Amino acid sequence: GAVVSQHPSWVICKSGTSVKIECRSLDFQATTMFWYRQFPKQSLMLMATSNEGSKATYEQGVEKDKFLINHASLTLSTLTVTSAHPEDSSFYICSAPPETSYEQYFGPGTRLTVT
Amino acid sequence: GDSVTQMEGPVTLSEEAFLTINCTYTATGYPSLFWYVQYPGEGLQLLLKATKADDKGSNKGFEATYRKETTSFHLEKGSVQVSDSAVYFCALSFPTDSWGKFQFGAGTQVVVTP
Repeated sequence: GAVVSQHPSWVICKSGTSVKIECRSLDFQATTMFWYRQFPKQSLMLMATSNEGSKATYEQGVEKDKFLINHASLTLSTLTVTSAHPEDSSFYICSAPPETSYEQYFGPGTRLTVT
Repeated sequence: GDSVTQMEGPVTLSEEAFLTINCTYTATGYPSLFWYVQYPGEGLQLLLKATKADDKGSNKGFEATYRKETTSFHLEKGSVQVSDSAVYFCALSFPTDSWGKFQFGAGTQVVVTP
């Protein structure tokens, strides 16, 4: 089946620094990818829709200047957490539907810890 | 707004026991309903889905029926195995909207002991 990877799987950074998380579709192209955030023992919350060749669409309440999304190619979307703070510590998950399918494939997630 | 509520875990069962995870939803309109499973260290995987009322989704011995009258989509398996230990997420989405915009429940951890 289709595979979505994320890198890194776990990152620790200091408060005030920026962190980039990559999401790749390994064997299919995706014009759209989605970024979710998951707090411990809570739901996945959709943060934004990443669109290849155009600006990302952010959900209400998500700071677009803090969570920068770039959909650089049909197989890669990146999420950059800028000026990270401890409250940004969370589990970030991306997903992508292949262009030829309505299935949704999820990455394994990236755990961000901001100290 | 749209929301999904599922029973809290962890749910601990012995092998071959019957599993039920309750899921109810609130939505304007008629969403598609999904169960996703997340095994340790892996991404979410689609377990089953139902796109309209009275549809039954099934996969790997798991079943769930889309009940519009009770706005529910409970997950069941008649005889669980240790390999079914995972976190299960109930979710809804509107395909006519933006595909991929899912509303997830909080997840239910299931632990199956030998």
